[in-house]
Amino acid sequence: SQTIHQWPATLVQPVGSPLSLECTVEGTSNPNLYWYRQAAGRGLQLLFYSVGIGQISSEVPQNLSASRPQDRQFILSSKKLLLSDSGFYLCARADRDNSYNEQFFGPGTRLTVL
Amino acid sequence: SQQGEEDPQALSIQEGENATMNCSYKTSINNLQWYRQNSGRGLVHLILIRSNEREKHSGRLRVTLDTSKKSSSLLITASRAADTASYFCATGSNFGNEKLTFGTGTRLTIIP
Repeated sequence: SQTIHQWPATLVQPVGSPLSLECTVEGTSNPNLYWYRQAAGRGLQLLFYSVGIGQISSEVPQNLSASRPQDRQFILSSKKLLLSDSGFYLCARADRDNSYNEQFFGPGTRLTVL
Repeated sequence: SQQGEEDPQALSIQEGENATMNCSYKTSINNLQWYRQNSGRGLVHLILIRSNEREKHSGRLRVTLDTSKKSSSLLITASRAADTASYFCATGSNFGNEKLTFGTGTRLTIIP
């Protein structure tokens, strides 16, 4: 079966601290991978997506960055967190050969910046 | 800005009633998808409708698509308490485009 892992599940960090969120995918090769952020009670904002190792597309200018060091690993990072970085971060994958880009989501990481 | 806008933003109905949610979008699409999100969880894909389809069914779900009006509706029949969740539409554009654009969601509450 195809599974998406995200960790940590919850995180509380002080303003100005660094961030590293990890997403790993099992059971599929060459997936498209995505990072979304969801503010409380709101829709999803696409932050980054990747179509392959080392290939990152950024959707929104911000103090976050993403990397894909391995085919099934997608990392979201920040050098210095802002209060506005608080939110629910979701990783998703889509199969490369799926023309309609149906996406499957991980369980999410809830980040609170204080 | 969001491509999809769901309507209503929130909906409360009695268990057993039907729930209808609407989604409007702005640009041309090749497919539209509906997702469900339980509180504090990831999204779950429910159903996909292609741009050349007008209606699709899956269990208690019925989705319609009107490309001339750039709108879609999701009908959940015989609602259950477990249907309580947020529902999002997402649109995909041309083939080869790797992104979906998600709407703002409808919060559905089923009252037992």
